[in-house]
Amino acid sequence: NAGVTQTPKFQVLKTGQSMTLQCAQDMNHNSMYWYRQDPGMGLRLIYYSASEGTTDKGEVPNGYNVSRLNKREFSLRLESAAPSQTSVYFCASSEDGGTPYEQYFGPGTRLTVT
Amino acid sequence: AQKVTQAQTEISVVEKEDVTLDCVYETRDTTYYLFWYKQPPSGELVFLIRRNSFDEQNEISGRYSWNFQKSTSSFNFTITASQVVDSAVYFCALSEAAREGNNRLAFGKGNQVVVIP
Repeated sequence: NAGVTQTPKFQVLKTGQSMTLQCAQDMNHNSMYWYRQDPGMGLRLIYYSASEGTTDKGEVPNGYNVSRLNKREFSLRLESAAPSQTSVYFCASSEDGGTPYEQYFGPGTRLTVT
Repeated sequence: AQKVTQAQTEISVVEKEDVTLDCVYETRDTTYYLFWYKQPPSGELVFLIRRNSFDEQNEISGRYSWNFQKSTSSFNFTITASQVVDSAVYFCALSEAAREGNNRLAFGKGNQVVVIP
């Protein structure tokens, strides 16, 4: 049982380049999330997906797109990276069932945009 | 809008001292859930506790304890007899159960705990 996995672990991009962060979970969870963590800011929700085929914006969605490919996978795409997107990105998943359950987090992707 | 405040940014304690982390939240909902997560230096986030708004009993798990006070909108976390392995960033988070997409978490900015041997 791997839990939540993310690839890559580290990435350096030049301004304007694009990339996709991959996330997969093997816990059969319906809900999946993407957060970014910046120093002194805590974690901020970028996008989430309550179920396969649905996605919704979180607190800081600008500059990002997401795809819920199937129940297991939820990817985050940066179409044109900017230095302000330098951050650590976490994917998470949780059960759902009417009440908020704990979220299980992946190990994170450290992204630097130069 | 939900909001979580963790006012203390960095707290240093000497090993075996107790440390209390304050978490104050704001919500207009009567049904909500509070969480604490630990982020050790390795970077992963580890779930510690979930508490719903109807359960005001304090909770103890080993050296960890939580004090939920609805009257002051606080959900404080105490580490008793701290150890070096407790050095981490601790996050408090809030979810409002009544809303669509009810698993969305709003995180505080975190408390960096440094335990000095």
